[in-house]
Amino acid sequence: SQQGEEDPQALSIQEGENATMNCSYKTSINNLQWYRQNSGRGLVHLILIRSNEREKHSGRLRVTLDTSKKSSSLLITASRAADTASYFCASSSGSRLTFGEGTQLTVNP
Amino acid sequence: EAGVAQSPRYKIIEKRQSVAFWCNPISGHATLYWYQQILGQGPKLLIQFQNNGVVDDSQLPKDRFSAERLKGVDSTLKIQPAKLEDSAVYLCASSSQPYSNQPQHFGDGTRLSIL
Repeated sequence: SQQGEEDPQALSIQEGENATMNCSYKTSINNLQWYRQNSGRGLVHLILIRSNEREKHSGRLRVTLDTSKKSSSLLITASRAADTASYFCASSSGSRLTFGEGTQLTVNP
Repeated sequence: EAGVAQSPRYKIIEKRQSVAFWCNPISGHATLYWYQQILGQGPKLLIQFQNNGVVDDSQLPKDRFSAERLKGVDSTLKIQPAKLEDSAVYLCASSSQPYSNQPQHFGDGTRLSIL
């Protein structure tokens, strides 16, 4: 079964609103990473949170990690139309990253 | 710095034919990855190289897929013979070190369609 499940699968919001995406994983991890993928393009690394961290910020991004629940969330504040993309969490175990199925975020102008 | 380069961007072949993809990682990046991304899914690791050695190819269908990185720089991924289920985007990524606490840098991929 797939490790790393995002929720929701799709999210549509208005510009200026906040967007929250959740991720669950199955095994113990070294860290958890979030990536963005615009249509027809490769993935772009957004943020990495280590297993001993609970929260991390980067610009308009806020990531939380709850290792007891094996879950993470990505919050994008004050969303913009340019944030429209697919967002993937990737759980890190050993030397391998395992990606989830992704959340498709649409930000309407 | 220049990003990860991949070619071709698109490829259409018939089933049972062969196809090859090429990747040039970011200069100085010793670790190179090939992923398969089926439409609507996340990327799935096929193979990971450290310089010209294979670190992880446990998810590579070795009966039809092969990959090499002979000089520890660019890499090719080959499928022979192709099946309908191989229709996907093939992404190449690189990182400066092999540890999974390093971000991976992705190319824009090759979109493969099997007829």
